[in-house]
Amino acid sequence: DGGITQSPKYLFRKEGQNVTLSCEQNLNHDAMYWYRQDPGQGLRLIYYSQIVNDFQKGDIAEGYSVSREKKESFPLTVTSAQKNPTAFYLCASSPGEGGTDTQYFGPGTRLTVL
Amino acid sequence: GQNIDQPTEMTATEGAIVQINCTYQTSGFNGLFWYQQHAGEAPTFLSYNVLDGLEEKGRFSSFLSRSKGYSYLLLKELQMKDSASYLCAVRSQGSNYQLIWGAGTKLIIKP
Repeated sequence: DGGITQSPKYLFRKEGQNVTLSCEQNLNHDAMYWYRQDPGQGLRLIYYSQIVNDFQKGDIAEGYSVSREKKESFPLTVTSAQKNPTAFYLCASSPGEGGTDTQYFGPGTRLTVL
Repeated sequence: GQNIDQPTEMTATEGAIVQINCTYQTSGFNGLFWYQQHAGEAPTFLSYNVLDGLEEKGRFSSFLSRSKGYSYLLLKELQMKDSASYLCAVRSQGSNYQLIWGAGTKLIIKP
């Protein structure tokens, strides 16, 4: 079955540590995205990538980093520079066709920084 | 600035009909999406509107008026499993891949 996987589902880290969240898709989609979701707020875009080896900052990129070395994979690193990292992180992908291009989401990773 | 407004929470009765509204102010318009999100889970795609009018998909319908910057999601024959948050998102013109998201409407279904 095609889909998007994120691991782990729950992640706990100590303050000051970097942590990497995994996102893999087998939908053959060109575009991939990382969002952060906080209670009472809309999804906020952290980074997106339209094609392999290229990515762009979203609205809240500070304290985060990404790579896109393979079409299937778009890992997100939450660095110690991110001031409030505890949140629900969602990865999405889309065919990248513009217009009707629809984003499909992975199950999410809930990160808690202690 | 760009903004999307949705009611924070709505309550409806099992078997009834509910309409969830979404208004937007964006720099241009290139499509509106509705997603359903159950608590703790990923959003799932429900509908896409780019032209004015009503799109029907089973128990769910979505309406768009571009001149009014307005959309609604209509849910008929409500079931308990419809209890979820409903997210409205707009692709503004020229934004290519980026969507602007509303905060979501939490729908509570009562027996």
